[in-house]
Amino acid sequence: DTAVSQTPKYLVTQMGNDKSIKCEQNLGHDTMYWYKQDSKKFLKIMFSYNNKELIINETVPNRFSPKSPDKAHLNLHINSLELGDSAVYFCASSQPRTSSNTGELFFGEGSRLTVL
Amino acid sequence: GIQVEQSPPDLILQEGANSTLRCNFSDSVNNLQWFHQNPWGQLINLFYIPSGTKQNGRLSATTVATERYSLLYISSSQTTDSGVYFCAVERVYSGGGADGLTFGKGTHLIIQP
Repeated sequence: DTAVSQTPKYLVTQMGNDKSIKCEQNLGHDTMYWYKQDSKKFLKIMFSYNNKELIINETVPNRFSPKSPDKAHLNLHINSLELGDSAVYFCASSQPRTSSNTGELFFGEGSRLTVL
Repeated sequence: GIQVEQSPPDLILQEGANSTLRCNFSDSVNNLQWFHQNPWGQLINLFYIPSGTKQNGRLSATTVATERYSLLYISSSQTTDSGVYFCAVERVYSGGGADGLTFGKGTHLIIQP
C-alpha cells in the first residue's frame, strides 16, 4: 500500500490551461506539504497544511492554490499555466515534531508537469 | 532563511568504495534529515538526525549541531546507491510553529560497477 500517493504522475499541457494534482496519505499524519523540484533538482517548499489549516505559504504566485478537504488529502490547483511552472511537484506528509514524534518527512512519487 | 550547503556537488566512485557527504547549515536547527533520490526520482528518508550518530546498514550519519554540520557515510558502495543525496534542516519553535524543511542542493553520486 502506497503511503503517500499522487495523481497524475505525468501531466503535459498547454500554456494558459488550468490543472490540478491530487495527493492522499494513509499514514495518519497531521501535516501535508507541497514541494517543487526544478530542472536543477532543487527542492523548495511551497505550502504546508496542518490538520486542514494552512501553516506555511511560501512566496508562490497566487495562480497556485492548495486545498485540503481533510487531513489525509492535499490538492494543488494551478491556474493559467506558464512555461516556468514545468517541474516535478512532490507531495509529502509528516507528524508535527514533538517530544514523541520525529517529524520525519515521507514523499509521494512526484508529478512531472510539462507546460508547452 | 537558513542556508544549507552540501559538498561535494558531484561524486563518482567505483563499487566497493567508501564516501563521506557533508552538509553545512547557517543557523541552529532542531530537525535535520537526509534523503536519497534514486535515478527514478523517488525520495526516500534515510535518517532523522538533529544531533548524534545513527547507523542503518552500510549507511551512517553524524550531526554536530553546535558546529552546524552533518555527515553522511556510505561504506562499500553499490550501484544501487547512485542518485542524489539531500540534506534538509528545519527550525521548530517552542510554540509549535516551524519553518518547513529547507533542502540543500544535493550531492549527485554515481557508483560505477
